[in-house]
Amino acid sequence: DAGVTQSPTHLIKTRGQQVTLRCSPKSGHDTVSWYQQALGQGPQFIFQYYEEEERQRGNFPDRFSGHQFPNYSSELNVNALLLGDSALYLCASSPPGLIYEQYFGPGTRLTVT
Amino acid sequence: DQQVKQNSPSLSVQEGRISILNCDYTNSMFDYFLWYKKYPAEGPTFLISISSIKDKNEDGRFTVFLNKSAKHLSLHIVPSQPGDSAVYFCAALPGNTGKLIFGQGTTLQVKP
Repeated sequence: DAGVTQSPTHLIKTRGQQVTLRCSPKSGHDTVSWYQQALGQGPQFIFQYYEEEERQRGNFPDRFSGHQFPNYSSELNVNALLLGDSALYLCASSPPGLIYEQYFGPGTRLTVT
Repeated sequence: DQQVKQNSPSLSVQEGRISILNCDYTNSMFDYFLWYKKYPAEGPTFLISISSIKDKNEDGRFTVFLNKSAKHLSLHIVPSQPGDSAVYFCAALPGNTGKLIFGQGTTLQVKP
């Protein structure tokens, strides 16, 4: 049984560009959460998707948006990239009814130059 | 505003001894607390959790203690093994939200 998978593994973008990161949840999981982890810090909650809707959002600007597909996979989009967006982006999935059980993927390392 | 704090960036322990990792929080409305372990190039892996109505939870070598009056929790690893060397994150869950709030992490090194 594959765990949470994320693509790409690494990405380098230029300031002002847009980026899309992808996440496939664990089999049977229906909720996907996204986190940003800056160097030396703990992960920070960006938002959570359930039933193709954004259910909760952390303290991130509207440049950060997302989507969940009918197969529960999810995308994170970041527009107008800033140097400060350089971070590890983690996706976590949860089984039905157990949103506190979050299983993390390996992350996508985004570097903005 | 850092609601969950891990004040020790690093900890070094001899193999076989006890490792104690600490975490403080400010929000008394947190319902659940969790510990995650993270190796380089991997995502955080769930270790152990505790409900706010409990004061101790044990799973094999790992025990988490919760002191609600002090808003403090700790993770004890006994005995420590070199494979336990990783970054440990404390996380808290407010209500039934699924929004994990993480501390900054503590790097544990277990020396053979």
